[in-house]
Amino acid sequence: GAGVSQSPSNKVTEKGKDVELRCDPISGHTALYWYRQSLGQGLEFLIYFQGNSAPDKSGLPSDRFSAERTGGSVSTLTIQRTQQEDSAVYLCASGLGTGGAYSNQPQHFGDGTRLSIL
Amino acid sequence: GQQLNQSPQSMFIQEGEDVSMNCTSSSIFNTWLWYKQEPGEGPVLLIALYKAGELTSNGRLTAQFGITRKDSFLNISASIPSDVGIYFCAGPLQGSSNTGKLIFGQGTTLQVKP
Repeated sequence: GAGVSQSPSNKVTEKGKDVELRCDPISGHTALYWYRQSLGQGLEFLIYFQGNSAPDKSGLPSDRFSAERTGGSVSTLTIQRTQQEDSAVYLCASGLGTGGAYSNQPQHFGDGTRLSIL
Repeated sequence: GQQLNQSPQSMFIQEGEDVSMNCTSSSIFNTWLWYKQEPGEGPVLLIALYKAGELTSNGRLTAQFGITRKDSFLNISASIPSDVGIYFCAGPLQGSSNTGKLIFGQGTTLQVKP
């Protein structure tokens, strides 16, 4: 499709289980971001990819969170040993890039994965 | 750390009324972005502002980049029911000029009564 695609759209799992969330960015977008949105809150930055590398992981809340990106395209956010406080909407965004000619390029968001930890 | 303070937190207005919301920060921003989020969807960019004092319109929406670079406002004229949603201001985090990562306000929830 033309936009950022995320799957699954909803995920319910038991506390302690691992989950994987997937993001398919817009074709040709080299920059990819993961954000977390708790109920009634704004978005909180988690991690940034430029190509396959992650120069900024400063927003990951704990070492239970990790992410990777392969082929400069699809990204997976993994949460290990989930806790109830991990319940949130996880949003992915992509952009053409950063710096230089791309410094003012906006990010385009997917519709998110709503994660519920029982 | 950096914070964006949005107000009001929520608004309930009559169709046809004008709406104004703003966003302030104790830090200087070089870019201000306004997004709208509808239930079950991701945020959609409405307006991007890149220069202090800039006033930009997108249909019935108008946004301004404050002269101090520490605030921005968004106006919606002649509101209609489909304006319902959560409006977020956002800007690049400090030191993020090469990453593009954004900090978001807490959002203004808008409800429009037909």
